[in-house]
Amino acid sequence: KAGVTQTPRYLIKTRGQQVTLSCSPISGHRSVSWYQQTPGQGLQFLFEYFSETQRNKGNFPGRFSGRQFSNSRSEMNVSTLELGDSALYLCASSSDSQETQYFGPGTRLLVL
Amino acid sequence: QKEVEQNSGPLSVPEGAIASLNCTYSDRGSQSFFWYRQYSGKSPELIMFIYSNGDKEDGRFTAQLNKASQYVSLLIRDSQPSDSATYLCAVITDSWGKFQFGAGTQVVVTP
Repeated sequence: KAGVTQTPRYLIKTRGQQVTLSCSPISGHRSVSWYQQTPGQGLQFLFEYFSETQRNKGNFPGRFSGRQFSNSRSEMNVSTLELGDSALYLCASSSDSQETQYFGPGTRLLVL
Repeated sequence: QKEVEQNSGPLSVPEGAIASLNCTYSDRGSQSFFWYRQYSGKSPELIMFIYSNGDKEDGRFTAQLNKASQYVSLLIRDSQPSDSATYLCAVITDSWGKFQFGAGTQVVVTP
């Protein structure tokens, strides 16, 4: 099976812009979670989607949003980018029967 | 208080020695525990998971869980330079399966 894929891998944006990141889970996995990772804060949970519904949400401002499509692919959107949004954004998928999360390679976002 | 705590390190370990990593968690109802390894610039990869009290071994790795004391540990036997990485402890903290990660422990294996 192919692993979790994320696009794009690298992104440079300027403050105030918005960005959309994409994640395709492992085939058959319906749960997709998003994380932000920075050197100072570690892995921070953004949200989780399951069958097109947001099931869990972390403590991030409303500028961070997501959605999931019927094929389980998920997108994450960040509006009005700030310098502090520079981070590695990771998505992870898991199956219904197994709790283990498998991570994609991540999207490295740099906000200038 | 953070829900999942780890020593940030770095933990310096001579090649061939045992590396011992600890993780404590605050939610007594937690049922599932995971160890991930993350190389610099890469995404986390699963090493092993443990659900029951006691030890679980997989190759050179042993996970130990003590729910009464609310800690989970990871032992790496015969440490190799390729084991140099950050090790993340993760705990599922509620019935919806939300993962909570520790900040990670950096391990440096010196030849």
